Amino acid sequence: AQSVAQPEDQVNVAEGNPLTVKCTYSVSGNPYLFWYVQYPNRGLQFLLKYITGDNLVKGSYGFEAEFNKSQTSFHLKKPSALVSDSALYFCAVRDMNRDDKIIFGKGTRLHILP
Amino acid sequence: DVKVTQSSRYLVKRTGEKVFLECVQDMDHENMFWYRQDPGLGLRLIYFSYDVKMKEKGDIPEGYSVSREKKERFSLILESASTNQTSMYLCASSAGEPSTDTQYFGPGTRLTVL
Repeated sequence: AQSVAQPEDQVNVAEGNPLTVKCTYSVSGNPYLFWYVQYPNRGLQFLLKYITGDNLVKGSYGFEAEFNKSQTSFHLKKPSALVSDSALYFCAVRDMNRDDKIIFGKGTRLHILP
Repeated sequence: DVKVTQSSRYLVKRTGEKVFLECVQDMDHENMFWYRQDPGLGLRLIYFSYDVKMKEKGDIPEGYSVSREKKERFSLILESASTNQTSMYLCASSAGEPSTDTQYFGPGTRLTVL
């Protein structure tokens, strides 16, 4: 079955340090992968996506993600965390077995400590 | 900018009531989606629509129905609200190919069923 996993419910990072939010996937065929962010009391906002091409994808707010086919991962990264990056982050993948619908991970809450 | 609006940010209803959640997008998008978001469960797809008058069941359609009479509007209906439908409801829209195009989300409606 096609799936996406976010192994960490919560990640704590000190302000100014690099951050990583992990995502692994299991799909047949070519993976289409997404990251979304949800700030408090807001809807989800698109950060970036990988469809094809360069394995390093750059997105909004200084975030980037690296597609690693051998490790079936799509980790979200940022070189220097800001307190304002504190939010809930969702990884998502296209599900070819279910009419190409997008399935979302359970989310990882990122806390940036001042 | 794409704008997706939802009729209410907060809603309190009683068990057995019929509840309407409205979603409107202003970018002429073909595709619209309804999700519910629960802690630890991520986003789960309730219903989606790829065209006017068209609707498809998602992962958890039981207890819900939808209506799409106009392209810009996608309504979620709880025929007889129950306490286990207390949740955050998110509407989204996208253009073109559903599996690759960015989904744009509304701010969400937090529904409490007493």
